[in-house]
Amino acid sequence: EIVLTQSPGTLSLSPGERATLSCRASQTVSSTFLAWYQQKPGQAPRLLIYGASNRATGIPDRFSGSGSGTDFTLTISRLEPEDFTVYYCQQHSSSTGMCSFGQGTKLEIK
Amino acid sequence: QVQFVQSGAEVKNPGASVKLSCKASGYIFGAFAIQWVRQAPGQRLEWMGWINGGNGNTKYSQNFQGRVTLQRDTSATTAYMELTSLISEDTAVYYCARGNRGSIDYWGQGTLVTVSS
Repeated sequence: EIVLTQSPGTLSLSPGERATLSCRASQTVSSTFLAWYQQKPGQAPRLLIYGASNRATGIPDRFSGSGSGTDFTLTISRLEPEDFTVYYCQQHSSSTGMCSFGQGTKLEIK
Repeated sequence: QVQFVQSGAEVKNPGASVKLSCKASGYIFGAFAIQWVRQAPGQRLEWMGWINGGNGNTKYSQNFQGRVTLQRDTSATTAYMELTSLISEDTAVYYCARGNRGSIDYWGQGTLVTVSS
């Protein structure tokens, strides 16, 4: 099973600042199968990024994804008030068919 | 538009089973997998498994040790998740969602399952 470790656990920033969230995998993950989600309290997660760097439909361009191998990054270029919530990375293994999520990063207002 | 409507909240005793449904619409059901993900109160997302909407092939997380079974009814465009031998730690919101090339692009509203004596 591939374990995803997200860091930091909590990130304190101000609106307008840049946020950089990390996701590290215990084994190599195909970039095709690495995704990022945003989850607000009481809501289902929302797909932000798929294939490591592709924005999902309707996602603002301040969200971007990058990385390869075992290290992936979600960047939010200029934080808006609605961006302060929890973010998860997720991988799908093409060899085993198994999936897993990171433990999440909480983005809070400083 | 792609939509998933999940069945209502359940309260179960420890040791019982629960079977949840997930009605899909707005896309070709057989062309995508249905993923199941759960989230205990205040906890992370936990992947449970997926079922291929077309051929019914399944893949399960080893974390459930054979307690979970996924099924689908293509004529009803509905997926089902059964979890047996419930324990208090199974109290969670259970989501069904569409699997799309390794990511999960559309989610249901979730079903709260409470396990309590």
